[in-house]
Parts: sequence; C-alpha cells; structure tokens
Amino acid sequence: DGGITQSPKYLFRKEGQNVTLSCEQNLNHDAMYWYRQDPGQGLRLIYYSQIVNDFQKGDIAEGYSVSREKKESFPLTVTSAQKNPTAFYLCASSSPPGKTGKTEAFFGQGTRLTVV
Amino acid sequence: AQSVAQPEDQVNVAEGNPLTVKCTYSVSGNPYLFWYVQYPNRGLQFLLKYITGDNLVKGSYGFEAEFNKSQTSFHLKKPSALVSDSALYFCAVRVLDNYGQNFVFGPGTRLSVLP
Repeated sequence: DGGITQSPKYLFRKEGQNVTLSCEQNLNHDAMYWYRQDPGQGLRLIYYSQIVNDFQKGDIAEGYSVSREKKESFPLTVTSAQKNPTAFYLCASSSPPGKTGKTEAFFGQGTRLTVV
Repeated sequence: AQSVAQPEDQVNVAEGNPLTVKCTYSVSGNPYLFWYVQYPNRGLQFLLKYITGDNLVKGSYGFEAEFNKSQTSFHLKKPSALVSDSALYFCAVRVLDNYGQNFVFGPGTRLSVLP
C-alpha cells in the first residue's frame, strides 16, 4: 500500500543533542512538508520541499534543518538550537499544484519527541 | 495573510444528534479547502475537500461540508453523530506562494460525542 512512513514513533533527546526524524513516502509525490503540533496551536509549518534538492523555510524553521536528496525521503533534524523541541512532528506529502487528481496532503503517523 | 479560524475549541453533542464543526478562512484567490480528523497520537486523516463545483461536498464516514463563499466558511457536518466520531478536527486551506504550495491549518476543534 502507498503511504508515508515516519520513524521512530517515539524519540527522546537529551539537552544539547541533535536528533533526526525520518520521513519516507512511496506515493510518488513531488512535494513534502514537516509540521509541528503543540496542544491548542494546531499545525505549524517547519519546512517544505517542492522538488529534490530544494526546500524552503516555513513559519518556525529556527532550530531545524532538512535535506531532500531523494524524492521519497525528507528527513528533519532537530538541532540543539531548538530551545523547546518537545512536540508531535508530522510529515506530509502532496501532488504539486497544476496536477490533476488528489490535491490533498497525505500524512504520516507522527513522531513524538520528548526532551529528557 | 492567509489563515483559517475554527472558533470553537470544543464541541459536545449527544450520540444520534446532528453535529457541526465551524471553519472560516481568509485566502486570496479561489480557495482549496480541506477537513482532516486526528485520533490520539496519530497522523491526520483526510475527510473531504472543496475545490470547485457543488457547494455541498460529501466525504468519508458520513461527513459532509458546505462551502459558503459570501461568508468565507466551510463548516463540517454530519446528520447523526457516533461516539466513535470523537476526535480532533482540523480545517485547512491550500496556499500558493512564490515557492510552491503548502497547507495552512486551523487550531483544531475537539469533538466529543456523548453516549
């Protein structure tokens, strides 16, 4: 079945550590996204990518980095510069504008990151 | 700025009664609007969308939504609520910028269906 796989499901980070969250999709989507979810704040966009080897900062990119070396993969690194990283992280993908068919975003099951 | 508002943090409804979860939007151009549902510690599941055409769109699990351009609203509805509909609901709008597209989400509305 096609879909988006995020791993790990739960992740614990020590103060000052960098951690990387994995996101893989087999939907053949060009666009991929990372969102952060905090209670009562909905989803906020961290980074997004429309094509391989290209990406753009979203609304809350500080303290995060991404790469897009393959169409299928869009890993997110939470760096030590992110002062409050404890949150639920969601990866999504979609077809680009102009392509017919499904226009909605498809989501992975999320990674819950906790600083210990 | 393009945005989505969900004016109710929480909606409570008795099982079997109709439910409405409200959404208003602010976007330039013709809106692409979406509803998603989230169960605890899970990703978002797509329910339905409005792109163009009939203002009443039908989606998964018996949900429907009504697009109202003059009121810039896209309220989610279901004629008869189930306890299993209890979850967090998000309204979203597709945004086109100089780079490409992304999706802006409302803050979410928690629906509780009481038996």
